[in-house]
Amino acid sequence: NAGVTQTPKFRILKIGQSMTLQCTQDMNHNYMYWYRQDPGMGLKLIYYSVGAGITDKGEVPNGYNVSRSTTEDFPLRLELAAPSQTSVYFCASRLRGLAYEQYFGPGTRLTVT
Amino acid sequence: GIQVEQSPPDLILQEGANSTLRCNFSDSVNNLQWFHQNPWGQLINLFYIPSGTKQNGRLSATTVATERYSLLYISSSQTTDSGVYFCAVDTSGSRLTFGEGTQLTVNP
Repeated sequence: NAGVTQTPKFRILKIGQSMTLQCTQDMNHNYMYWYRQDPGMGLKLIYYSVGAGITDKGEVPNGYNVSRSTTEDFPLRLELAAPSQTSVYFCASRLRGLAYEQYFGPGTRLTVT
Repeated sequence: GIQVEQSPPDLILQEGANSTLRCNFSDSVNNLQWFHQNPWGQLINLFYIPSGTKQNGRLSATTVATERYSLLYISSSQTTDSGVYFCAVDTSGSRLTFGEGTQLTVNP
């Protein structure tokens, strides 16, 4: 079991460029999440998905898009990157239901200059 | 939305000391988790504890759901305990809200 995997680990983007952050889980989890963590802060939810074909906005969705075509994958798309999107991005997943803990990937460190 | 407050924001200890970290939350919760973010940025699950008490080695946690708080105890701290400790809660059954964390530094 690899758990939650994310690629790339690091990326530098120029302002206005686009990219996709990849997230895959092999635990057959229904729920998947994308968070961002700015320096010295807690995690803020960008988007989440409760199953294939279903996505919903979190606290800070502006400037991002997601899709969920399979149970395993939940890519995060950044369009027209801005310096404010410089952050560490974490993907997470868990089983459906009230009593299950969430597991996190190792994160992607993104810098927009 | 729910508010999650952690205290203290920063804590400096000598190796071998004990500590208590607190998490207050503003509404009833279905889920409460404690995480340790190590100096390399990795988030490690410590406890899933919406109520009651759990222990894992030198760490233990207690959640008093009726009074809306949770405590994380670290005994005989080691330098490897350094990092940020986050409390996160779920009220909806689908998403966690994180506190701002407690930065712990354990000096040798």
